Amino acid sequence: EAGVAQSPRYKIIEKRQSVAFWCNPISGHATLYWYQQILGQGPKLLIQFQNNGVVDDSQLPKDRFSAERLKGVDSTLKIQPAKLEDSAVYLCASSSPRGAGELFFGEGSRLTVL
Amino acid sequence: KNQVEQSPQSLIILEGKNCTLQCNYTVSPFSNLRWYKQDTGRGPVSLTIMTFSENTKSNGRYTATLDADTKQSSLHITASQLSDSASYICVVSGSPYSGGGADGLTFGKGTHLIIQP
Repeated sequence: EAGVAQSPRYKIIEKRQSVAFWCNPISGHATLYWYQQILGQGPKLLIQFQNNGVVDDSQLPKDRFSAERLKGVDSTLKIQPAKLEDSAVYLCASSSPRGAGELFFGEGSRLTVL
Repeated sequence: KNQVEQSPQSLIILEGKNCTLQCNYTVSPFSNLRWYKQDTGRGPVSLTIMTFSENTKSNGRYTATLDADTKQSSLHITASQLSDSASYICVVSGSPYSGGGADGLTFGKGTHLIIQP
């Protein structure tokens, strides 16, 4: 079974530029999450999708961050314009529909804002 | 406010030794508690998931315990190996739904474990 795919793995941009991250979840997983992980801290939820609908985006800085999951499969997270404090690893995860809902993470996209 | 506190923040042990990582939480309602292993530069990988009724759960050399009364969990690693060097993250689900799903997760900051040869 293929895991959660993310790209790019690494991205370096200057502040005020824009960046987009892509995620393809595990086949059949209806729930998709984007997390931000700052160095030395645990992941923080940015947005949760159920199919192509948003379940929770309460911690998404909507003035600069946006995310979509148009066909209920792939998802894109965009930052525009980027700030220095956006430097972090952006993790995509998808959830199994059974039992306690095991969470499967991708390898992450590491963003450095200069 | 839901919180998950982990200790120690970092730990260095010799290969072959055992160690125990601690997790205290104040998450309500409680649905399940998870331990994840995160290798440097990789995404977290699930080790165990425990619901309210489970006191202990093992995954190879990893054994997690849960005391829902005191809201404490521990992760015990037996006969450590160099490949155990990683961050270990405790995560608690506060979802009100039965089984919890992966909603309403509160993450700890992790314990950074280094195994020395």
